Amino acid sequence: AQKITQTQPGMFVQEKEAVTLDCTYDTSDPSYGLFWYKQPSSGEMIFLIYQGSYDQQNATEGRYSLNFQKARKSANLVISASQLGDSAMYFCAMREAFYNTDKLIFGTGTRLQVFP
Amino acid sequence: NAGVTQTPKFQVLKTGQSMTLQCAQDMNHNSMYWYRQDPGMGLRLIYYSASEGTTDKGEVPNGYNVSRLNKREFSLRLESAAPSQTSVYFCASSHRGPAQPQHFGDGTRLSIL
Repeated sequence: AQKITQTQPGMFVQEKEAVTLDCTYDTSDPSYGLFWYKQPSSGEMIFLIYQGSYDQQNATEGRYSLNFQKARKSANLVISASQLGDSAMYFCAMREAFYNTDKLIFGTGTRLQVFP
Repeated sequence: NAGVTQTPKFQVLKTGQSMTLQCAQDMNHNSMYWYRQDPGMGLRLIYYSASEGTTDKGEVPNGYNVSRLNKREFSLRLESAAPSQTSVYFCASSHRGPAQPQHFGDGTRLSIL
């Protein structure tokens, strides 16, 4: 079974608007970490934000926040006040504590395009 | 800060040729990884090394070998390149633990004719 699912192959958003990128996950490990990465057209993978399974509050990093709904097993990335430079591929990933502990499991990604 | 350094950045091979992709990190990370990225498939783990002296297969290990030379360096070798191995290859490293993000190199774009 796929462990990380990103159902949106592509998303469009107007500059200065907020956008939510969806991510659902599947694990039986009680302790895990969820990550979002950005891959611009130049190709590098940039770490954006992290959410731990036991964290009580949603993670935030500048304009990025993570809408973590544990019961639904979702970890959606919210980008506020979108900028043209946010146009990129975005990947959701999970790292488990007890099973496959050394592996980071990636989703297939969402391509975000920000237009003026 | 160099972070994770991969060489080369680009390479074209003929079918059947061999080559080694090099990766080095200067963050004192225990764990290192090799991924390949193909269109529409995200990143798939080829091999990883949880610590110096250990390596394990990932999701797509066939056709590849790895060597964890020391704590800093983790190389990926294609013994007999095939067109199906045309891809972008990423090396990554991290500390151990579920809260630790992986840090990536800039990637190697490999084309096999």
